[in-house]
Amino acid sequence: RKEVEQDPGPFNVPEGATVAFNCTYSNSASQSFFWYRQDCRKEPKLLMSVYSSGNEDGRFTAQLNRASQYISLLIRDSKLSDSATYLCVVHRGPGGYNKLIFGAGTRLAVHP
Amino acid sequence: NAGVTQTPKFRVLKTGQSMTLLCAQDMNHEYMYWYRQDPGMGLRLIHYSVGEGTTAKGEVPDGYNVSRLKKQNFLLGLESAAPSQTSVYFCASKKRVENTEAFFGQGTRLTVV
Repeated sequence: RKEVEQDPGPFNVPEGATVAFNCTYSNSASQSFFWYRQDCRKEPKLLMSVYSSGNEDGRFTAQLNRASQYISLLIRDSKLSDSATYLCVVHRGPGGYNKLIFGAGTRLAVHP
Repeated sequence: NAGVTQTPKFRVLKTGQSMTLLCAQDMNHEYMYWYRQDPGMGLRLIHYSVGEGTTAKGEVPDGYNVSRLKKQNFLLGLESAAPSQTSVYFCASKKRVENTEAFFGQGTRLTVV
């Protein structure tokens, strides 16, 4: 079983739709959580950090449930430019040797 | 403001040849990571370093070696390249502070024939 698991998709949605991605992690030493975005054949870039209280950045909302070891990303009012692969990322603290672990990614395709 | 720079960006190797990939960061970050990305596999951690002079194995370390002699540089070596090492390699660096962003280089596309 992979340490960080995501639904690979693809999610094909029309413009304006709301779409949700889920992620689970298995290592309890995980301390920090992130969503990264990766465009085709490019390097990953930070979309947003994920905090226990939940956080929002414009059309994007991230949630963390430490008890269930579950992370989510909600995208509202999808744009064509949101088409990309979304990577769930977990950083283990010193107790987990400071590893930065990626999920395999969920692909999103937004169509007109 | 260069951030994280990887060299080379592209390389074709013959089976059995050796090469070194260089990752350089100018942000004074403590942590550095090497990943490989294959289709449908996401990023898999090869080796990483939490400081100058220290390295550790990740998920897929076999066939690779690393060194971090200077804080700003993290080298990934392939001693005897194999076709299974054909991949895109990404380097990343991060501050030793919780909830801080990891920055990536633009990647190295390596083909082993």
